[in-house]
Amino acid sequence: DGGITQSPKYLFRKEGQNVTLSCEQNLNHDAMYWYRQDPGQGLRLIYYSQIVNDFQKGDIAEGYSVSREKKESFPLTVTSAQKNPTAFYLCASSKRGSGNEQFFGPGTRLTVL
Amino acid sequence: GNSVTQMEGPVTLSEEAFLTINCTYTATGYPSLFWYVQYPGEGLQLLLKATKADDKGSNKGFEATYRKETTSFHLEKGSVQVSDSAVYFCALSDPSGAGSYQLTFGKGTKLSVIP
Repeated sequence: DGGITQSPKYLFRKEGQNVTLSCEQNLNHDAMYWYRQDPGQGLRLIYYSQIVNDFQKGDIAEGYSVSREKKESFPLTVTSAQKNPTAFYLCASSKRGSGNEQFFGPGTRLTVL
Repeated sequence: GNSVTQMEGPVTLSEEAFLTINCTYTATGYPSLFWYVQYPGEGLQLLLKATKADDKGSNKGFEATYRKETTSFHLEKGSVQVSDSAVYFCALSDPSGAGSYQLTFGKGTKLSVIP
């Protein structure tokens, strides 16, 4: 079955450590996205990529980094520079072009202790 | 810039009640509009969409009509069930912006349906 996988579902890290969240899709989508969700808030865009080896900052990119070396994969690193990293992180993908819906993964809940 | 405004929740309804969740938007171009649903601890699932004015999206008994004159995309269901309890997000995709595949989301409306 086609879809998006994120791992792990729950992640705990000590303050000051970098951590990488995995996102893989087998939908053959060109575009991929990372969002952050906080309680009672909508989704805020961290980074997006429309094609392999290219990505752009979203609204809240500070303290995060990404890579897009393969079409299927778009890992997100939460660095120690991110001041408040505890949140629910969602990865999504879509075909290129307006009007195409984004498909979401199940999310990773990151807790920094 | 683009923005989406949803009615604030939480919304609590009895089973079989009528549901309306209001959504209005601001966009520079001619956006596509979406409703997503999120169940506890999960990612978002597309509920329905509309890509041009006067289109009606529908799925699982939910409906929403793209109203360009009022810049609205209100979500409705005639008879809600306990299983509809979730958070609902309105979103738009505006092709005129630099990041033309991005979605702009509302803050979400939490719906609780009680038996």
